[in-house]
Amino acid sequence: AQKITQTQPGMFVQEKEAVTLDCTYDTSDQSYGLFWYKQPSSGEMIFLIYQGSYDEQNATEGRYSLNFQKARKSANLVISASQLGDSAMYFCAMRRKSSGDKLTFGTGTRLAVRP
Amino acid sequence: ETGVTQSPTHLIKTRGQQVTLRCSSQSGHNTVSWYQQALGQGPQFIFQYYREEENGRGNFPPRFSGLQFPNYSSELNVNALELDDSALYLCASSLSGTGDEKLFFGSGTQLSVL
Repeated sequence: AQKITQTQPGMFVQEKEAVTLDCTYDTSDQSYGLFWYKQPSSGEMIFLIYQGSYDEQNATEGRYSLNFQKARKSANLVISASQLGDSAMYFCAMRRKSSGDKLTFGTGTRLAVRP
Repeated sequence: ETGVTQSPTHLIKTRGQQVTLRCSSQSGHNTVSWYQQALGQGPQFIFQYYREEENGRGNFPPRFSGLQFPNYSSELNVNALELDDSALYLCASSLSGTGDEKLFFGSGTQLSVL
């Protein structure tokens, strides 16, 4: 069974600093994708970044980058130059090619950015 | 580009009632998935619809059912509501068959069952 683990229930970061949110995954599939979503208090799940298991380069989207270490089965999210608006829940998720579009989510990390 | 929209935003029902939640997929997307997110947890996959047919289902009982319409919008129906059905219900749309892997979510419907 596939599983996503986020070991940090809560994190603090100072405004303008970088922060890393941890995510490890467990799957025996060779083809899979890893996602990070941001969920503010409004409830919407906002897509941040995607990494395919065969992608050789780490994914980047603006201030977000994904530190993908396939052998260690980790897919940590790095947010650079944190802003107050980054305060939210962050979820790591995985999708296996064999399971279609079904996403399996971790339990999330609540990030608080301090001014 | 129109995003994923869900209605209603909030709903209060009593145990035993039935509820219908609605979702309009993002423009150009052909696949809709539904997720249930209980308080303090990550979303759990309910089911997915592609070309108006169910295309995968999570560990949810048959009283959770759905539809997808020709315009790719979708409904989630829950019969015989139970207290544990209280949750945020999220709809996600995607474009299957193109290699574009991204799923985009709506803001959800907060369902409270009393």
